[in-house]
Amino acid sequence: GAVVSQHPSRVICKSGTSVKIECRSLDFQATTMFWYRQFPKQSLMLMATSNEGSKATYEQGVEKDKFLINHASLTLSTLTVTSAHPEDSSFYICSAYPGTGDDEAFFGQGTRLTVV
Amino acid sequence: SQQGEEDPQALSIQEGENATMNCSYKTSINNLQWYRQNSGRGLVHLILIRSNEREKHSGRLRVTLDTSKKSSSLLITASRAADTASYFCATPSGTYKYIFGTGTRLKVLA
Repeated sequence: GAVVSQHPSRVICKSGTSVKIECRSLDFQATTMFWYRQFPKQSLMLMATSNEGSKATYEQGVEKDKFLINHASLTLSTLTVTSAHPEDSSFYICSAYPGTGDDEAFFGQGTRLTVV
Repeated sequence: SQQGEEDPQALSIQEGENATMNCSYKTSINNLQWYRQNSGRGLVHLILIRSNEREKHSGRLRVTLDTSKKSSSLLITASRAADTASYFCATPSGTYKYIFGTGTRLKVLA
């Protein structure tokens, strides 16, 4: 299947700093990618839809100024957690679609963010 | 919330037994997908079942879909310790946008 790479897999940062997470589709182009957040032992909650060449669409309750999304190319979307606080500590996962007609999504390996 | 619900939330079985987990959802769908997540890892796609299908098999996995009841089940037969993971159903909410169920944490004891 298609490969989606997410980097970094783990990151620890200090409160008040910003952290950038990358999501790359390695062997296909993705006009649309999605960012999810997962708290321990909970499900994935969709944060936003990343659209290549246009603004991201955020889900209700997600602060767009805090979670900056940039989809600068057909193979890369980035999520920047700005002015991170301990409550932003979570597991962040991206997904992308090849757009081949099948509906299967391909997920990155996830990023464990710890804000200290 | 559109999030689907899964039950049980947690399931513990012996190796070799079958594991069944259920997913209920709220809106009409054209497909439903099941994913597995090992602890602290990304998601692995298991199976996609379309709304015109009632049952689908993949190896030791059997998925059913009842659109009239808005429910799906995932059966893992002859479970192994390596099947220990969380299992999520996902239903579409717009083009390529999916909403995940609450998940079932499966533990298979050797």
